[in-house]
Amino acid sequence: AQSVTQLDSHVSVSEGTPVLLRCNYSSSYSPSLFWYVQHPNKGLQLLLKYTSAATLVKGINGFEAEFKKSETSFHLTKPSAHMSDAAEYFCVVSLFSGGYNKLIFGAGTRLAVHP
Amino acid sequence: EAGVAQSPRYKIIEKRQSVAFWCNPISGHATLYWYQQILGQGPKLLIQFQNNGVVDDSQLPKDRFSAERLKGVDSTLKIQPAKLEDSAVYLCASRPTNVGSGNTIYFGEGSWLTVV
Repeated sequence: AQSVTQLDSHVSVSEGTPVLLRCNYSSSYSPSLFWYVQHPNKGLQLLLKYTSAATLVKGINGFEAEFKKSETSFHLTKPSAHMSDAAEYFCVVSLFSGGYNKLIFGAGTRLAVHP
Repeated sequence: EAGVAQSPRYKIIEKRQSVAFWCNPISGHATLYWYQQILGQGPKLLIQFQNNGVVDDSQLPKDRFSAERLKGVDSTLKIQPAKLEDSAVYLCASRPTNVGSGNTIYFGEGSWLTVV
């Protein structure tokens, strides 16, 4: 069965320090992987995606993620957190199965950034 | 390019009343999704359309929820009668095609429902 596990429900960092949000997936197929961010009272915005090209993917706002097939992981990182990064982050697996695309969401990680 | 449009943005109704939400996807997008997001949780798929056909409605509570996309463009999600536990954000999303898993999914800003 396909699944997505975000290993931390809450992460708290100080402004200017690195961010690491962890995501592991389970899939029998070759998936595409996405990270989305959701700010309060807003919809989901795409940060970055992996679609079987380069394993290190750069996204918007300084975020990047590395696809590691051997570890079935797609962790999201940022070298230096900014106050505006405080939001909910979702790891999403997209796979083509049964004739159509399916999306599987992680439970989300809430990132808090302190001054 | 215009994004995914949703309306109304906010709605408060009493339990047992009905409500309808509208979504207009990005022009040309074949796939349309409706998600329910309860506060503090990740989005849960309610229904997925490919053009005007349903490809997945396995998690749609069909006794009270219905959705249609008659012309393969915009879509309406209806809840009748509403229950307290339906209080959530209803997110609409679209993507260009059903072929290939890598194309981006675009989300609207959501319709916030409070049932009192």
